[in-house]
Amino acid sequence: TQTVSQSDAHVTVFEGDSVELRCNYSYGGSIYLSWYIQHHGRGLQFLLKYYSGNPVVQGVNGFEAEFSKSDSSFHLRKASVHWSDSAVYFCAVSDRGSALGRLHFGAGTQLIVIP
Amino acid sequence: DPKIIQKPKYLVAVTGSEKILICEQYLGHNAMYWYRQSAKKPLEFMFSYSYQKLMDNQTASSRFQPQSSKKNHLDLQITALKPDDSATYFCASSQEPISYEQYFGPGTRLTVL
Repeated sequence: TQTVSQSDAHVTVFEGDSVELRCNYSYGGSIYLSWYIQHHGRGLQFLLKYYSGNPVVQGVNGFEAEFSKSDSSFHLRKASVHWSDSAVYFCAVSDRGSALGRLHFGAGTQLIVIP
Repeated sequence: DPKIIQKPKYLVAVTGSEKILICEQYLGHNAMYWYRQSAKKPLEFMFSYSYQKLMDNQTASSRFQPQSSKKNHLDLQITALKPDDSATYFCASSQEPISYEQYFGPGTRLTVL
């Protein structure tokens, strides 16, 4: 069974601050990790993904994430946030050995950026 | 221009009725999906289709039936509606099922009274 844990339901920072949104997963096989963003009242938008190679991956709008096999983590970071980054962020894991397309999402972390 | 269209945006239904949620994608993708997001549960995978064939069904109830009349359509029929079905239903698509970069529609918010 795949599980995705996002320990922080809410994170509040000031504009210009750095931020890290945590994601831990539990899965024994070969996986694909990704992050999505959901602005209020809208659908999810893909941010970035990891499945092999360099554990630090770059995404859109200055976001990056780092994969750690030892910690079973895939934390999302941004060096300097903007008020428009306020949204809910979802971490997702998929089974790379499957062609079923099923994404398992965490509960989400709401990021609030104070201007 | 919206690439994934979901209709309607809001839907109110009475318990026991039947509704169809519409999804059309104009990305040229071959795989389509349905997810559900409710206040009680995180975003849940429901179905995946590839080339108009059902690939995966994680919905326990047969009251939920996807329908694919065209390659870029994947509607969701829900029968015998219950208040617990109240949620926002998202349609998504990807180039291929193994491409886990999925594109989501704006969602249909269903309220069952």
